[in-house]
Amino acid sequence: DAGITQSPRYKITETGRQVTLMCHQTWSHSYMFWYRQDLGHGLRLIYYSAAADITDKGEVPDGYVVSRSKTENFPLTLESATRSQTSVYFCASRTRDRGPYEQYFGPGTRLTVT
Amino acid sequence: GQNIDQPTEMTATEGAIVQINCTYQTSGFNGLFWYQQHAGEAPTFLSYNVLDGLEEKGRFSSFLSRSKGYSYLLLKELQMKDSASYLCAVRKGTYKYIFGTGTRLKVLA
Repeated sequence: DAGITQSPRYKITETGRQVTLMCHQTWSHSYMFWYRQDLGHGLRLIYYSAAADITDKGEVPDGYVVSRSKTENFPLTLESATRSQTSVYFCASRTRDRGPYEQYFGPGTRLTVT
Repeated sequence: GQNIDQPTEMTATEGAIVQINCTYQTSGFNGLFWYQQHAGEAPTFLSYNVLDGLEEKGRFSSFLSRSKGYSYLLLKELQMKDSASYLCAVRKGTYKYIFGTGTRLKVLA
């Protein structure tokens, strides 16, 4: 199906474990983003990518790693999970060339770190 | 610094009109977005303003005043399904979007 998908939708992991959250979009959008959403905070940008093999840090990148070897995939890895990384993670994408440059969000991954 | 302020919660009655305000202070401005987010779901795009004035889209309208750092989202003929959080976001530059914490709207029968 066309769109933007995330997996897993729910994940429980232990402190110190490595976790990878997957994001896949079928629109061939150039830009992809990872956000986390926590109570009392707006969506906060973790990393973004302007194209395959081009990534850059957002507002809260510490403890996270991303890669983008293919346009359609943008995985987010927590290298050593901490309780403060318990959150809902949203992946988003948008076009490069056509306004108004709204973002399309995936369904989210609810991550709990115990 | 950069800051976006929205009311935390609002309540309105089915069939009524509600206005959700958003004020922002950012070092750069390249458009303002409104998103709707139902509980447990992803945000979905509602409207976009980059120039001053009103943009209308069916029951939803959004207004922007760049000089005042102010926007509002107007929802008319409220329906129960409009119960959701409404997120205001400012785009800075090419890729950076700053989101407010959202306004939770409850529509009562």
